[in-house]
Amino acid sequence: AQKVTQAQTEISVVEKEDVTLDCVYETRDTTYYLFWYKQPPSGELVFLIRRNSFDEQNEISGRYSWNFQKSTSSFNFTITASQVVDSAVYFCALSDFRNSGGYQKVTFGIGTKLQVIP
Amino acid sequence: DAGITQSPRHKVTETGTPVTLRCHQTENHRYMYWYRQDPGHGLRLIHYSYGVKDTDKGEVSDGYSVSRSKTEDFLLTLESATSSQTSVYFCAISEPTSGSPYEQYFGPGTRLTVT
Repeated sequence: AQKVTQAQTEISVVEKEDVTLDCVYETRDTTYYLFWYKQPPSGELVFLIRRNSFDEQNEISGRYSWNFQKSTSSFNFTITASQVVDSAVYFCALSDFRNSGGYQKVTFGIGTKLQVIP
Repeated sequence: DAGITQSPRHKVTETGTPVTLRCHQTENHRYMYWYRQDPGHGLRLIHYSYGVKDTDKGEVSDGYSVSRSKTEDFLLTLESATSSQTSVYFCAISEPTSGSPYEQYFGPGTRLTVT
């Protein structure tokens, strides 16, 4: 069974601090995808990144970076120089892999609420 | 932004009444999903569809039914609403290519309160 653990339920940081959101996953699949989504106070869910299990390269996008470590089953998300606009709930998710292009089961973590204080 | 709308956006209903939520997409994506979001549970899949008239259950499908008569519309029905179905409901779409599940894009959500 798939499982995604986001142990940090709430984090508060002061603006301009760096913050890392942890994500640990469990799966029996050898091939899978990992995602991060952002849910700002307005409520919509915004896709941030997808990473497949073949690619352990870290990724950086502006102030955002992601560290995928297969050895520890972790896919952590770091925001550098946080801003108030980063305040949101962040969800990590895990998807299985279907060669037939069939149903895509996605398991979400319970989310980490990030508050950036000005 | 993916063209996904949900209606209504907010609804208050009484226990025992039927409720239908609508998800409409303009992306022509094959896969559509209904999730519910509750504190402490993240998002949980209710039902999904992999084509017109092709649907299947997710992990929390009891008390819910769905229908998809057109590619662009996916309806979620609560046959007899209960207070435990008070939640925020999200529709999502995706278009996985062979062997590559793509990310799901979400609608704006529907906040349902059952009194």
